[in-house]
Amino acid sequence: EAGVAQSPRYKIIEKRQSVAFWCNPISGHATLYWYQQILGQGPKLLIQFQNNGVVDDSQLPKDRFSAERLKGVDSTLKIQPAKLEDSAVYLCASRMGDSNTGELFFGEGSRLTVL
Amino acid sequence: GNSVTQMEGPVTLSEEAFLTINCTYTATGYPSLFWYVQYPGEGLQLLLKATKADDKGSNKGFEATYRKETTSFHLEKGSVQVSDSAVYFCAPSGGYQKVTFGIGTKLQVIP
Repeated sequence: EAGVAQSPRYKIIEKRQSVAFWCNPISGHATLYWYQQILGQGPKLLIQFQNNGVVDDSQLPKDRFSAERLKGVDSTLKIQPAKLEDSAVYLCASRMGDSNTGELFFGEGSRLTVL
Repeated sequence: GNSVTQMEGPVTLSEEAFLTINCTYTATGYPSLFWYVQYPGEGLQLLLKATKADDKGSNKGFEATYRKETTSFHLEKGSVQVSDSAVYFCAPSGGYQKVTFGIGTKLQVIP
């Protein structure tokens, strides 16, 4: 079974530029999460989708971050314009069904460096 | 909302030492509790879980018991190995499947 796919793995941009990250979850997984992991910290939830609807985006900086999950499958996270403090690893995870008992499956992450 | 208080590291132990990493949480609803591990150069993966009070999750010699009365889920291992060196994250999953991660505890095991 294929895992969670993310791209690109690495991205270096200058501040005020834009960037987009893509995630393809495990087939059939209804719930998709985007996390931001700053070096030395735990993952922080940015947005959670159930199928193609947003469940929680309370910690998403909506003035610069946006995310969508069209057709309830793959998802895109965009940052525009980027700031220095956005340097982090962006993790995508997916989960089967609508129960809180299942494990999250993580992609390898997209490492962003903002100069 | 959900929150996690996790023992800060780094924790340095000698091989075969006993390990405890403390975790307490608050979460909406009736949460499931997870420990995830991140080995050097790898992505996050599930270590163990418990889905109801008094359940004990176990894997690779690690154990954690769901203590509802103290809202805790402490991770233990009786004899650590060098290969256990990693960062460990406590993560309750509460209402609407929200999963909140702790700050992470870095474990270094020396021979």
